[in-house]
Amino acid sequence: ETGVTQTPRHLVMGMTNKKSLKCEQHLGHNAMYWYKQSAKKPLELMFVYNFKEQTENNSVPSRFSPECPNSSHLFLHLHTLQPEDSALYLCASSQAGGFGNTIYFGEGSWLTVV
Amino acid sequence: EDQVTQSPEALRLQEGESSSLNCSYTVSGLRGLFWYRQDPGKGPEFLFTLYSAGEEKEKERLKATLTKKESFLHITAPKPEDSATYLCAVQAILTGGGNKLTFGTGTQLKVEL
Repeated sequence: ETGVTQTPRHLVMGMTNKKSLKCEQHLGHNAMYWYKQSAKKPLELMFVYNFKEQTENNSVPSRFSPECPNSSHLFLHLHTLQPEDSALYLCASSQAGGFGNTIYFGEGSWLTVV
Repeated sequence: EDQVTQSPEALRLQEGESSSLNCSYTVSGLRGLFWYRQDPGKGPEFLFTLYSAGEEKEKERLKATLTKKESFLHITAPKPEDSATYLCAVQAILTGGGNKLTFGTGTQLKVEL
């Protein structure tokens, strides 16, 4: 069991659907992240939240909409996705700032867009 | 722009056959180099952080080392349970706060009996 919990673990959605991924961290961290992992590609940073404020958007399409209501919870709202968006979406958390702060990952949410 | 290259892409070992995985990196200023293990269908699990050239860290059958241009993950007498994908990443500090990890594509290790 990890300190970062993601739900659902698996999600299948049509291109016209709206769904959300949820993440909760129990580590007392104040920075949270969304990463995307596609086959044969490195993990890609999508968004960073630091003390609930978005500090990084790595040119992510607007069909992905993050929300961070507090330092422990992070959502990724999905709408009108494309089949190429099918991937493993990983939530992570760390202490903010300073080098060497370890980023801890959740188990991921497998997304399939049909 | 930070870059990380891992080799080999895949490695098959017999149980007990020691080997090393390589991670070459290019960064403007190294803040930390991280090793993670990832099992199929799961998120990456933190293994080590290295900060400066010459540093070494060990955990069970794994030892990570760091030079100014690359890091090695040495696996001594591996067991089948060491089979996983090993990911290397370099850290940058974001101006707005938080940290950014730039990952390599990983080395997929399979240890056979």
